[in-house]
Amino acid sequence: DSGVTQTPKHLITATGQRVTLRCSPRSGDLSVYWYQQSLDQGLQFLIQYYNGEERAKGNILERFSAQQFPDLHSELNLSSLELGDSALYFCASSGAGASTGELFFGEGSRLTVL
Amino acid sequence: ILNVEQSPQSLHVQEGDSTNFTCSFPSSNFYALHWYRWETAKSPEALFVMTLNGDEKKKGRISATLNTKEGYSYLYIKGSQPEDSATYLCNMDTGRRALTFGSGTRLQVQP
Repeated sequence: DSGVTQTPKHLITATGQRVTLRCSPRSGDLSVYWYQQSLDQGLQFLIQYYNGEERAKGNILERFSAQQFPDLHSELNLSSLELGDSALYFCASSGAGASTGELFFGEGSRLTVL
Repeated sequence: ILNVEQSPQSLHVQEGDSTNFTCSFPSSNFYALHWYRWETAKSPEALFVMTLNGDEKKKGRISATLNTKEGYSYLYIKGSQPEDSATYLCNMDTGRRALTFGSGTRLQVQP
């Protein structure tokens, strides 16, 4: 158990809809990362937050947005969903300061868009 | 976004074979390199973090080396076992924490 919690584990929805994925980082971790894994693809970096502020942005679509709340949990919002958005979305967290910087991953949220 | 490359993309070996694969990364702005193991239907787990040129790390039958000057790291598995079957990912950290993963090497060990 990595200590990172993601909900929901599975989600099925229709094109055009909007969903929110939630992530609770390990206790004490300030950084949260979101990654997308589409079929037969590697981990694509979407966005990183550090202590509530956006730190880095990857290839995140404009239809997607994220935020990190004061209690450090994060939400990834996916809107106007398309079939191609079907993927496994991972959240990861890492510690601040002197930690080794390794990422601790949640179990992922599998999104299916029909 | 950094260009981190891994090779080969996939590897099939027999139980007992030793194997190795490569992670290449830009040598500028290097802070640390991370290796992860990602088993099917699970989430990636950290294997090693390497920071110094010439670093060697070992965990059981798995070891890794690092060359920051030429921008590569090798991961070795000695005497592969079926339970080693997984995708092995590397990730370069510039100090702003690791963002970009290589596409991974998918290892399949046949009993």
